[in-house]
Amino acid sequence: AQSVTQPDIHITVSEGASLELRCNYSYGATPYLFWYVQSPGQGLQLLLKYFSGDTLVQGIKGFEAEFKRSQSSFNLRKPSVHWSDAAEYFCAVGLKTSYDKVIFGPGTSLSVIP
Amino acid sequence: GAVVSQHPSWVICKSGTSVKIECRSLDFQATTMFWYRQFPKQSLMLMATSNEGSKATYEQGVEKDKFLINHASLTLSTLTVTSAHPEDSSFYICSAREAQETQYFGPGTRLLVL
Repeated sequence: AQSVTQPDIHITVSEGASLELRCNYSYGATPYLFWYVQSPGQGLQLLLKYFSGDTLVQGIKGFEAEFKRSQSSFNLRKPSVHWSDAAEYFCAVGLKTSYDKVIFGPGTSLSVIP
Repeated sequence: GAVVSQHPSWVICKSGTSVKIECRSLDFQATTMFWYRQFPKQSLMLMATSNEGSKATYEQGVEKDKFLINHASLTLSTLTVTSAHPEDSSFYICSAREAQETQYFGPGTRLLVL
């Protein structure tokens, strides 16, 4: 069965430090891959997505992610974190079925120390 | 960019009553819409997928007679929680997809059943 894991439930970083959020997936083929961010009580905002092509994907707000097929990973990175980046981050896998369902990982909560 | 709205943003109702939540794609036509449910501090769980003009496809364990979904037009889907009970209290999020493009999420509706 398809699944998405985010090993880190909660991460705390200092403002200005670099960030890497881990994501691993289990799927029989190369899926569509997404990273979303959710602020408290809000909906989800798309940070970036990978469908095909270049495995290093640039997103909004200075985020990037790299698809590594051999590791079934799609880790999210940011070189310098801002206090406003504190939020919940979800990795998601899009299934190439007729409905293209998206399966979400459990999420990683990011706290930023000023 | 693609914008999805939800109405209402929050609702409080008495146990046994029904509640309707609307999801609209404001600047694009959504061939497919999705309804998710999110409990506090948890990830999104897909409830159902609906295509315009056809019956919704419900995920395993989701009661289709309790969570009625209608996707009558390319810009509007509704979720009706029938005979709501306190255990139905949750954060309901919809998303809309245009053809093969990414899902865009609404801001969510918080339901509290007393």
